[in-house]
Amino acid sequence: QSALTQPASVSGSPGQSITISCTGTSSDVGSYNLVSWYQQHPGKAPKLMVYEGSKRPSGVSNRFSGSKSGNTASLTISGLQAEDAADYYCLSYSGSSTGVVFGGGTKLTVL
Amino acid sequence: QITLKESGPTLVKPTQTLTLTCTFSGFSLSTSGLGVGWIRQPPGKALEWLALIYWDDDKRYSPSLKRRLTITKDTSKTQVVLTMTNMDPVDTATYYCAHTSWCGSTSCYTFDPWGQGTLVTVSS
Repeated sequence: QSALTQPASVSGSPGQSITISCTGTSSDVGSYNLVSWYQQHPGKAPKLMVYEGSKRPSGVSNRFSGSKSGNTASLTISGLQAEDAADYYCLSYSGSSTGVVFGGGTKLTVL
Repeated sequence: QITLKESGPTLVKPTQTLTLTCTFSGFSLSTSGLGVGWIRQPPGKALEWLALIYWDDDKRYSPSLKRRLTITKDTSKTQVVLTMTNMDPVDTATYYCAHTSWCGSTSCYTFDPWGQGTLVTVSS
């Protein structure tokens, strides 16, 4: 069982927007602005999409945005495209005794 | 351009020790603020953080695996080595290494980019 809770799957049609939630606790997501999001296509290594909660690395589309409210972080993908279909994982720092925790992953299907 | 590549055995027997090497280019672990982390992913399952090491030899480990893990760096060879003792079939996974860095004066715990990963199977 992962430390951070994500929905197992989400889906949307091309052009729509979807949001993936990542629920933690006051010991991880709620305490630190150190949530990052990773996209993973089948058989490929994960790719960083959002870091420090809402920052986008160079080269990542501005259709990807991150936010946080309390103990829940969210990744929103707007203007869905077929290539966005992948697994998405959130990560949060959880203090010096626990270190880093991942979510269980969310499979995004583009209908 | 930063690149990383994992190497090591593809098959280990239960109770054996696994040694994985991450060979990287495009950065130096002599540079303040930089580090390398290890993450694994069992087939069909979620990612799990294992360990990381920073330029100043600061090391962090997953609490659940700490007793079995050792991470070291060879700055001159641009390599980071992870050893995991007492391997079990549940340790079968793809093992990734990834670049990490501080943001400002603190660790970011952001991994970017990642290596391609190496699948390790534990079986007798």
